[in-house]
Amino acid sequence: KQEVTQIPAALSVPEGENLVLNCSFTDSAIYNLQWFRQDPGKGLTSLLLIQSSQREQTSGRLNASLDKSSGRSTLYIAASQPGDSATYLCAVSHNTDKLIFGTGTRLQVFP
Amino acid sequence: NAGVMQNPRHLVRRRGQEARLRCSPMKGHSHVYWYRQLPEEGLKFMVYLQKENIIDESGMPKERFSAEFPKEGPSILRIQQVVRGDSAAYFCASSPPIVGYGYTFGSGTRLTVV
Repeated sequence: KQEVTQIPAALSVPEGENLVLNCSFTDSAIYNLQWFRQDPGKGLTSLLLIQSSQREQTSGRLNASLDKSSGRSTLYIAASQPGDSATYLCAVSHNTDKLIFGTGTRLQVFP
Repeated sequence: NAGVMQNPRHLVRRRGQEARLRCSPMKGHSHVYWYRQLPEEGLKFMVYLQKENIIDESGMPKERFSAEFPKEGPSILRIQQVVRGDSAAYFCASSPPIVGYGYTFGSGTRLTVV
């Protein structure tokens, strides 16, 4: 049974810091991995999608890497801003089937 | 492209009533998924549907919950005889029939049972 864990559970940093959020999964036979952002009381916004054959994806200040064999992904946020404050979720899928979500990292960036 | 549309955004029901949650997928998406987020918990898969077919309902509670995705119209998640423990945010996601393009989520329906 696939289990997805995210560390740390919460993070509070001053503006401008570079951050690394971690995601690990127990079954490496994934099809893809997706990082989402969730703002309080809101839905999920897709940030980055990494196919199992890829090593990383980049979008602006965000970079996500995937090491499928070790069951790990990291989300790197450069030069953090207060607007980055949200909960970050990683999720894996095994085909076109359901997503299995991690527990989330609650990020607060203060000015 | 209006994205994944869910309504209502907020729904209040008394114990024992029925709740109907609607989800219209993105244009061109034929796969719909429902997830539930209980307070202070992560998102859990409930059901995966294609037009007129339930593909995977392994996350659906065995009683009181049902889902459909008819040929015409939105997908419906139906909860009969709601109880306090059904209070949660229910999210719908859709994906295209082409493998590997990821999922797009709606803004969710927040159900409160009083």
